[in-house]
Amino acid sequence: GEDVEQSLFLSVREGDSSVINCTYTDSSSTYLYWYKQEPGAGLQLLTYIFSNMDMKQDQRLTVLLNKKDKHLSLRIADTQTGDSAIYFCAESISGTYKYIFGTGTRLKVLA
Amino acid sequence: ETGVTQSPTHLIKTRGQQVTLRCSSQSGHNTVSWYQQALGQGPQFIFQYYREEENGRGNFPPRFSGLQFPNYSSELNVNALELDDSALYLCASSLSRDNEQFFGPGTRLTVL
Repeated sequence: GEDVEQSLFLSVREGDSSVINCTYTDSSSTYLYWYKQEPGAGLQLLTYIFSNMDMKQDQRLTVLLNKKDKHLSLRIADTQTGDSAIYFCAESISGTYKYIFGTGTRLKVLA
Repeated sequence: ETGVTQSPTHLIKTRGQQVTLRCSSQSGHNTVSWYQQALGQGPQFIFQYYREEENGRGNFPPRFSGLQFPNYSSELNVNALELDDSALYLCASSLSRDNEQFFGPGTRLTVL
């Protein structure tokens, strides 16, 4: 089946690292994505990882993929107040071209 | 800014009415996907259009229909609106069917 799960909330202090977790069920996913959504706005693509990779680093962002456990995480180093938003993970399903999104994790960064 | 635009930004309709939402894709992109995002939820895939033809559909009833034009812009039409249709409707364009999707700002539809 197709299901993507995320924890609903995460609160961190400014300057700390944030880790947002995601689990998915479909083993035929090709790419996994992280999107950021600020209030009243659309989705901003942050980064993505191909399903045969374990890790991808992009400036302050590190994506880890454990394909065996179907677990994806996004680490944000030196979290800033501007990082406060909802973060969605999404998987693209091979052969269908649609994205399956999680319910989103609301990250709150405390000054 | 992704270069994907949507209109209108907000819309209020009543139950039973029909609505048309519009999306202009990023230059050079031939694929548009539509998603419905209910409050507090992640986006749900409605359908995708590739080169003017429907290329996949999610679990939405036939009263949700779409169109893609020769310039690759797209419309989402919803007939017989229900209260549960109230949501943010997002379109995303991509270079082709299996490339990453870039989202527009969305149209917030309220059905009273």
